[in-house]
Amino acid sequence: AQSVSQHNHHVILSEAASLELGCNYSYGGTVNLFWYVQYPGQHLQLLLKYFSGDPLVKGIKGFEAEFIKSKFSFNLRKPSVQWSDTAEYFCAVNARTGRRALTFGSGTRLQVQP
Amino acid sequence: EAGVTQFPSHSVIEKGQTVTLRCDPISGHDNLYWYRRVMGKEIKFLLHFVKESKQDESGMPNNRFLAERTGGTYSTLKVQPAELEDSGVYFCASSQAGLYQETQYFGPGTRLLVL
Repeated sequence: AQSVSQHNHHVILSEAASLELGCNYSYGGTVNLFWYVQYPGQHLQLLLKYFSGDPLVKGIKGFEAEFIKSKFSFNLRKPSVQWSDTAEYFCAVNARTGRRALTFGSGTRLQVQP
Repeated sequence: EAGVTQFPSHSVIEKGQTVTLRCDPISGHDNLYWYRRVMGKEIKFLLHFVKESKQDESGMPNNRFLAERTGGTYSTLKVQPAELEDSGVYFCASSQAGLYQETQYFGPGTRLLVL
């Protein structure tokens, strides 16, 4: 069975600090990887995704993530966070073939202080 | 283009009552998914429709939950009778069919509270 671990449950940063949120997954086959974000009062939005090719993927609002296959990791990064990045971030994975359901991590609540 | 919509946004019911949640996917999306987030836990898959057919219902917790997608457009998720542990946020997502590189787009969720 698939599982996704997000190690940081609550992160507090000051504006302009760098961000890295960890995500590790467990699955025996080829996967698709996603980061979703939920801003306060809004619905889940896709931040970025990895299907194949270049393991460094860039998303919206200056976010990027790197897929490291040997470590089963897909960490999210941003060089300089803004107050508007305050949100909950979810890592998710599904199988490349077969079952389409997403398996989510428990989420990381990011609070950026001005 | 309209996104995934869900109705109602909130529902408060008493234990033993029935609640029906509705999801309207993005137009043209054959895949429709239901997920649930119980407070403090991760978002968990409930089931997956392809058009009107249930492709995967392995996440449905028990037979108190009934999902339908008549005509392959909108979907309903009925909980009958509701229990306290059914409280949470129910998300719907949709995606285009036939793509292994599919992206699921989520609705705003329905927040259900069972008292």
